[in-house]
Parts: sequence; structure tokens; C-alpha cells
Amino acid sequence: QLQESGPGLVKPSETLSLTCTVSGGSISSNTYYWVWIRQPPGKGLEWIGSFDYSGSTYYSPSLNSRVTISVDTSKNQFFLKLSSVSAADTAVYYCARGSLWYNFDYWGQGTLVTVSS
Amino acid sequence: NFMLTQPHSVSESPGKTVTISCTRSSGSIASNFVQWYQQRPGSSPTTVIYEDNQRPSGVPDRFSGSIDSSSNSASLTISGLKTEDEADYYCQSYDTSNHVVFGGGTKLTVL
Repeated sequence: QLQESGPGLVKPSETLSLTCTVSGGSISSNTYYWVWIRQPPGKGLEWIGSFDYSGSTYYSPSLNSRVTISVDTSKNQFFLKLSSVSAADTAVYYCARGSLWYNFDYWGQGTLVTVSS
Repeated sequence: NFMLTQPHSVSESPGKTVTISCTRSSGSIASNFVQWYQQRPGSSPTTVIYEDNQRPSGVPDRFSGSIDSSSNSASLTISGLKTEDEADYYCQSYDTSNHVVFGGGTKLTVL
């Protein structure tokens, strides 16, 4: 299981920070990617970034300059930081597990983050 | 990077068959596996097809996936439509730089 947590409201220009807690399996497994995906209200899915067991990270080209994904294997958690947010970053943010061929077979329930002053 | 283009919406009657297309803008559709996700309102997406044409356990065999190199597209076909199939469907693939791409999504209406 995956569970997102973090503030539901972030002010413009500030940094959005979310945590994904993984249970029922190790985040250190060499079989999976771990990803962040978001979905603005009424719109489609957008990949934010991923990391793999070796610690390599991959980011969406459109968000690359503002995104950092990190991991704490001791807590079986991984994190998303998105800087300089604006209203366009308002979305439901999901964390998910991906197979080596990027089949996202387990998703968190998603958490709505609203960017507003 | 490439894009995946899906029709915005499709509709069909219960019991009929519908096909949703997903066209890759550049590079071969056969180069990287394609997944299909179903998303009902208020829920997280779930996989209905992975690795082009594989069905996860629990997904009815009414769901099938294929790729067509001639049109550089992937397709999701749902036969024997049921009202419960009404949902948004997304195709997804990736590139050699481990960048993931989603299609824009297709709203399926079963009426």
C-alpha cells in the first residue's frame, strides 16, 4: 500500500512538500520504480518524476527545474518537493509503484494540494 | 520527447464493442510497452492492460490491448460493454530516458 501525506494548501511561490509511505514491501527492491503523478482538477494524468532502486532519479522535462524526489529507505518513504508553485500546480498528487516496464500497479489514494494565498 | 494522442470521448451502447486509440507522435509504438488505466470518478487509476496486451488478474477478458505499427498506435478494446465500464481511460508509455508519458485520456460513456 502507498499513502500520500502533506499540506493540502500551499501559498504561491512557496514549496510543495509531500511524503509517500510504503507498506507491505520494501522501497529498496530492485524490481520497481517509485513515482509521483499528478492530476489537475478535471484534467488528465501528468508524470512528475521517478526514482529506482539505485537511487537514480528521472524528472519530467516540463518540471525538471522545480522538482526534487528523495527517499528514506529506513522509513520506507519517498518525498516530493516542488518549488515556486503557482495555481497551475493545484492538483491531486499520487504516488505509485511501477514495474520495470512502468506498469503502475499500485497507487496511493491521492492527496489534493491547492495553491492559493 | 513524444506525445500520446487519444480521442477526447467515445460512447457506445451496453453489449457493444468499443475501441480507444492511442497514437504515438514520434518513435515507434513498438519500442516501449504501452499500459492502459481505468479511472472512475473520485478513484485512483487501475491497470486494465499492461505491456501492450497483458491483462492483470481480476480484469475481465472483455478488455484487450494491441499495437499497430502501421498506424503507430495502441488500442484498447472493450467488448460486451457494461455500464460499470463507464470511466476515463488513459494510455501510458515511456522512453529510453525513463521519461513517462500519458495520453490525454478518453471519457467512455456507456449509454
